Amino acid sequence: EAGVAQSPRYKIIEKRQSVAFWCNPISGHATLYWYQQILGQGPKLLIQFQNNGVVDDSQLPKDRFSAERLKGVDSTLKIQPAKLEDSAVYLCASSLDPGFGSYEQYFGPGTRLTVT
Amino acid sequence: ELKVEQNPLFLSMQEGKNYTIYCNYSTTSDRLYWYRQDPGKSLESLFVLLSNGAVKQEGRLMASLDTKARLSTLHITAAVHDLSATYFCAVEDASYDKVIFGPGTSLSVIP
Repeated sequence: EAGVAQSPRYKIIEKRQSVAFWCNPISGHATLYWYQQILGQGPKLLIQFQNNGVVDDSQLPKDRFSAERLKGVDSTLKIQPAKLEDSAVYLCASSLDPGFGSYEQYFGPGTRLTVT
Repeated sequence: ELKVEQNPLFLSMQEGKNYTIYCNYSTTSDRLYWYRQDPGKSLESLFVLLSNGAVKQEGRLMASLDTKARLSTLHITAAVHDLSATYFCAVEDASYDKVIFGPGTSLSVIP
C-alpha cells in the first residue's frame, strides 16, 4: 500500500512570495490533515478535511493560508504572502473514516519550507 | 477545550535502563495514540489505544491507557540507542472529531 505522498520536499522562498504544497493521501482515506511543525515543537493542526468538507480550520491563518481538497482526494495548501515565521515543516496526514474505529493517522514525509 | 501534556519533555537515559513517559489530558477521551519522530523525519504510528485498560507492546515499548485517570504511559524497558527519538501522544476529542497532540518527549539514550 502506497503511503501519503507530498511534494515538494524542500522549498526556499523570500518573504512576501507565495508557495503551494501538494498532498496525495492513502487511497480510501476519508480524512486529511495539514500540520505545521516548527523546529522543536509538536505538530499544530492547520486544517482537517473529512472528504470534501472542512472539519476544523480554527488554527489556519486565513489571511494568508488557504487549502482545498480536490474531489475528496488530493489536497493543496497555499501560503500567500509568506512571512519569516512560516518557516517550518508542513506535514500532511490521512486516516480512515472514523466509522472504521480510530483516527490513527499516517503521515507523509513533509515539506520543509524556509522563508528568507 | 482538550489539553494534552507530556512529561518529561526531555529525557536522557542510559542504555539498559527502564523509564516511563507520561501523557495527561484534560477531558474525557477513550482513544489515544502514540507516535515516534526521528530527527528530520516524519511521524510514525506506534500504538493505538482504544479503550480503558488497553495495553499494547512492541519490542521494548509498552503503552497503556487509563481513561478514568486521563493518563497514558509509554514504558521503555532496557533502553537501546535506536529508541532515541521524540515521542508524541495524541488524544482523540470525540466531541469535535479532532485529535490533539501533546508537546512531545525528546528521548536520548546514551551508552
